Amino acid sequence: DIQMTQSPSSLSASVGDRVTITCRASQGIANSLAWYQQRPGTVPSLLISAASTLHSGVPSRFRGSGSGTNFTLTITSLQPEDIATYYCQKYDSVPWTFGQGTKVGVK
Amino acid sequence: QVQLVQSGPELKRPGASVRVSCRTSGYSFLTYGLSWVRQAPGQGLEWMGWISAYDGKTHYAQNFQDRVTMTTDTSTATVYMEMRTLTSDDTALYYCVRGGPGDYWGQGTQVTVAS
Repeated sequence: DIQMTQSPSSLSASVGDRVTITCRASQGIANSLAWYQQRPGTVPSLLISAASTLHSGVPSRFRGSGSGTNFTLTITSLQPEDIATYYCQKYDSVPWTFGQGTKVGVK
Repeated sequence: QVQLVQSGPELKRPGASVRVSCRTSGYSFLTYGLSWVRQAPGQGLEWMGWISAYDGKTHYAQNFQDRVTMTTDTSTATVYMEMRTLTSDDTALYYCVRGGPGDYWGQGTQVTVAS
């Protein structure tokens, strides 16, 4: 099975900072990569699909990029409401594995 | 609007089985498959498997292949996930999720396994 590895596992940044999270697949998955946000105590929600397509209602400060094995989620200007854990997930073929998550905090 | 409404919390003894339901509404049920994802306390998301609402075809993650069965009831647009031979390691929040990628999630069902 293809493994999904996120880095870092956690980070702390200031409001307004640019934040970058990476997700690496152990084999190529084309652009079949989604990003989810899970705020504390809430249900995960879809941010980005097809590696770079913003889901409806998601602020434009969230950007996804990459294809093949290397993917990036960027928050261009961190806001207090972005405090959450972020997960990548492959969905090219089963199993639709998640990365282990990246916890984003504010300094 | 699209809604996925799951059944209530469950408390089970080790070795027992549990069935969680996910009633969908607001879209054409047959058009999307549904996945089940679980999250143990303080842990990440774990994909368990997927079922086609159209024909009931399933794919299970290897960790759950022998213990989990997913089914659908097209008359009520409901998906079910049954897990057998529960252990304390199965204590988690269980989510149903529409599609791949998952654009709509149920509210989660807490399953607690304890003696």
